[in-house]
Amino acid sequence: EAGVVQSPRYKIIEKKQPVAFWCNPISGHNTLYWYRQNLGQGPELLIRYENEEAVDDSQLPKDRFSAERLKGVDSTLKIQPAELGDSAVYLCASSLGGEQFFGPGTRLTVL
Amino acid sequence: GENVEQHPSTLSVQEGDSAVIKCTYSDSASNYFPWYKQELGKRPQLIIDIRSNVGEKKDQRIAVTLNKTAKHFSLHITETQPEDSAVYFCAASKRSNYQLIWGAGTKLIIKP
Repeated sequence: EAGVVQSPRYKIIEKKQPVAFWCNPISGHNTLYWYRQNLGQGPELLIRYENEEAVDDSQLPKDRFSAERLKGVDSTLKIQPAELGDSAVYLCASSLGGEQFFGPGTRLTVL
Repeated sequence: GENVEQHPSTLSVQEGDSAVIKCTYSDSASNYFPWYKQELGKRPQLIIDIRSNVGEKKDQRIAVTLNKTAKHFSLHITETQPEDSAVYFCAASKRSNYQLIWGAGTKLIIKP
């Protein structure tokens, strides 16, 4: 069984530029999560999808962050414009009513 | 909202000895408590979890205990090995597919 796939694995951009991350969850998993993990800290939830519906986006900074999950499968997370403080690892996870499986993450560096 | 505190932040043990990591949570409605292991530069991976209807769960060298009254749960690793070196995170949630609230992590160092 293929795991959660994320791309790109690394991204370096200058501040004020846009950036997008892509996630392909495990086949059949209806719940998809985007987390942000800062160095030395635990992951922090940004948004959770049940199928194509965003059911928890209370911690998503909506002025610059947006996400979508078309057709309830793949998802993209976008930041526009990026700020220095957005540098972190962005993790995607998926689940089917139980354990959350994580992707390898995208390490974002904003210069 | 839920808050999870984790101690210690760093734990160094001799290979073969036991390691214990403790977490406390604030929301009495939480009923799912997973533990994740994250090696440097890698993704978090679930190593064991426990639900509030159970007080203890064991899987080979790893065990988790839960005290609902005191709102704390602990990870126990026995006969530690070099490959146990990693950062361990506890988390709490009202359901397994809900938002996980994470502890700050414990860096476990196994000394040869």
